[in-house]
Amino acid sequence: EAQVTQNPRYLITVTGKKLTVTCSQNMNHEYMSWYRQDPGLGLRQIYYSMNVEVTDKGDVPEGYKVSRKEKRNFPLILESPSPNQTSLYFCASRPTTSAGIYNEQFFGPGTRLTVL
Amino acid sequence: ELKVEQNPLFLSMQEGKNYTIYCNYSTTSDRLYWYRQDPGKSLESLFVLLSNGAVKQEGRLMASLDTKARLSTLHITAAVHDLSATYFCAVATGNQFYFGTGTSLTVIP
Repeated sequence: EAQVTQNPRYLITVTGKKLTVTCSQNMNHEYMSWYRQDPGLGLRQIYYSMNVEVTDKGDVPEGYKVSRKEKRNFPLILESPSPNQTSLYFCASRPTTSAGIYNEQFFGPGTRLTVL
Repeated sequence: ELKVEQNPLFLSMQEGKNYTIYCNYSTTSDRLYWYRQDPGKSLESLFVLLSNGAVKQEGRLMASLDTKARLSTLHITAAVHDLSATYFCAVATGNQFYFGTGTSLTVIP
């Protein structure tokens, strides 16, 4: 089954304790992206990646890091989490071939993060 | 920075009625998307609109795009309870996506 998976789905942590949220897709998509969803703000893009070793900042990258060492994986790293990073996080992927450049994004199930 | 405004934020409507959700955006865009999100769930893609005057329909939902007015609409025809969800529009420029704040739709029997 074609899908985007995220782990963990739920995480409660404390301020300053480094964490990684993993994202993996099995559709061989070039493009992957991370978003955070907060009430009243919709989704905001954190980082995106056009392909392996190619990443770029989205709208709200502060406090986050990403890496793209393999095409299928795009982990989100919070090196020193703070309470204002408490949010619902979504990973997404889509193809970017010339035939599919306008294709829809496929979203993962989400990771609910609480930073105390 | 591209800004996307959706209205209304909350919409309560009776079954069988029609209504429209509006999505305005501030600068030129490549394409516009509509998504549906059920409570506690992920986002599901509904429509991708690429050009001025584009119209797409799926069941009771119809989306349109006016790039000159920088406006997209999502029209709901004869609403049913199953359409209760939050609807987001998103505007893409290059590889960046900007989402509206969402419209929470409740369809009342």
